[in-house]
Amino acid sequence: QSALTQPPSASGSPGQSVAISCTGSSSDVGGYNHVSWYQQYPGKAPKRVIYEVTKRPSGVPDRFSGSKSGNTASLTVSGLQADDEADYYCSSYAAGDKWVFGGGTKLTVL
Amino acid sequence: QVQLVDSGGGVVQPGGSLSLSCAASGFSLSRSGIHWVRQAPGKGLEWVAYILSDGRKEFFGDSVKGRFTFSRDLSKNIVNLHMISLRVEDTAVYYCAKDWEWGFDSWGQGTPVTVSS
Repeated sequence: QSALTQPPSASGSPGQSVAISCTGSSSDVGGYNHVSWYQQYPGKAPKRVIYEVTKRPSGVPDRFSGSKSGNTASLTVSGLQADDEADYYCSSYAAGDKWVFGGGTKLTVL
Repeated sequence: QVQLVDSGGGVVQPGGSLSLSCAASGFSLSRSGIHWVRQAPGKGLEWVAYILSDGRKEFFGDSVKGRFTFSRDLSKNIVNLHMISLRVEDTAVYYCAKDWEWGFDSWGQGTPVTVSS
């Protein structure tokens, strides 16, 4: 059982927008602006697409955006493309000097 | 160019030990902390451990606390994760990752660890 809760799956058609939620508690997501999102293709290492809730690393398209309200963070992928199909994980720094992950969401582009 | 290469994985019996290495290039380990994150077969990501850039503090997940430790060789720019009393549930691909802005920036390619009799 993961510390952060994500939906196991999400889907959308090319060009559409999809939002993936990540729910934690006041000890992690709600207590700190240290939420990141990671994209992982099968058999590959994860890649960070969002950090500090809303910031995009260099090279990540602006189709990827992040937000947070209370204990829930969200990743929105706009203008869906075929290569957005991957697993997405949220992560947060948590009280007690640890990091926690969500269980992951499999994004399917229909 | 920042690059991490993790190695040292293999097959070990329950109760055994193993050491993983994370070789960094493009930056100095004396200026950046390193995390280890693992992924069991078919499962999600799990944070395992973190060592600060000054090497003075180490943090561990509850599932590995007391069994895993760090060492560093700054002359070779390498961080090692030493694992003892391994359990079947430690079976996973282990990734090292560079810490930046409270998260996992650049990642190694992963090294598989299998604990089985």
